[in-house]
Amino acid sequence: LAKTTQPISMDSYEGQEVNITCSHNNIATNDYITWYQQFPSQGPRFIIQGYKTKVTNEVASLFIPADRKSSTLSLPRVSLSDTAVYYCLVVRGGTGGFKTIFGAGTRLFVKA
Amino acid sequence: NAGVTQTPKFQVLKTGQSMTLQCAQDMNHNSMYWYRQDPGMGLRLIYYSASEGTTDKGEVPNGYNVSRLNKREFSLRLESAAPSQTSVYFCASSLGQASTDTQYFGPGTRLTVL
Repeated sequence: LAKTTQPISMDSYEGQEVNITCSHNNIATNDYITWYQQFPSQGPRFIIQGYKTKVTNEVASLFIPADRKSSTLSLPRVSLSDTAVYYCLVVRGGTGGFKTIFGAGTRLFVKA
Repeated sequence: NAGVTQTPKFQVLKTGQSMTLQCAQDMNHNSMYWYRQDPGMGLRLIYYSASEGTTDKGEVPNGYNVSRLNKREFSLRLESAAPSQTSVYFCASSLGQASTDTQYFGPGTRLTVL
């Protein structure tokens, strides 16, 4: 599976848009990009998943360029409650969930 | 609909003691997982159960055993706890076996081994 690289930490202020970029240079044709969010003292929670171009849901948007070697999670107008760790995962379609690999993630700290 | 529940929430053990972490899900999911998360790190898969009646080792299975009691329940047992097993343990479930299926996580069990 493609190794992912994302910033260790980021700071932002309430009301700003936050973009977290993940690099996955060796992504394969049948790989998908998935993001999870983990609040302190809780288990991770699925945010969004995409294959190419742009995916949007009520929580975030995911931008994937044509070469798919990177992806950007966009959180619009963050609030203090968005302080969490965000994990970028590359998952391979057709394989088992046991191949889901969580790296260290990006620690986002939102300030007032 | 409680989702994924785990018991206990906290546990302190002495080296050599044994215990079982319980996990249950009420979403009729087929696959279940046990992860551990050490401070400042991502999650590592200990064991998983792709479907009722099957279990397989993950990345870090040594020192653990599991039981898929039925479709709802998946327990993790530490036979002889060691300080290196101090961690937060998360149980998760997914509808199917595919890696693209969303995994739903429980609140975790914080285990300290002295």
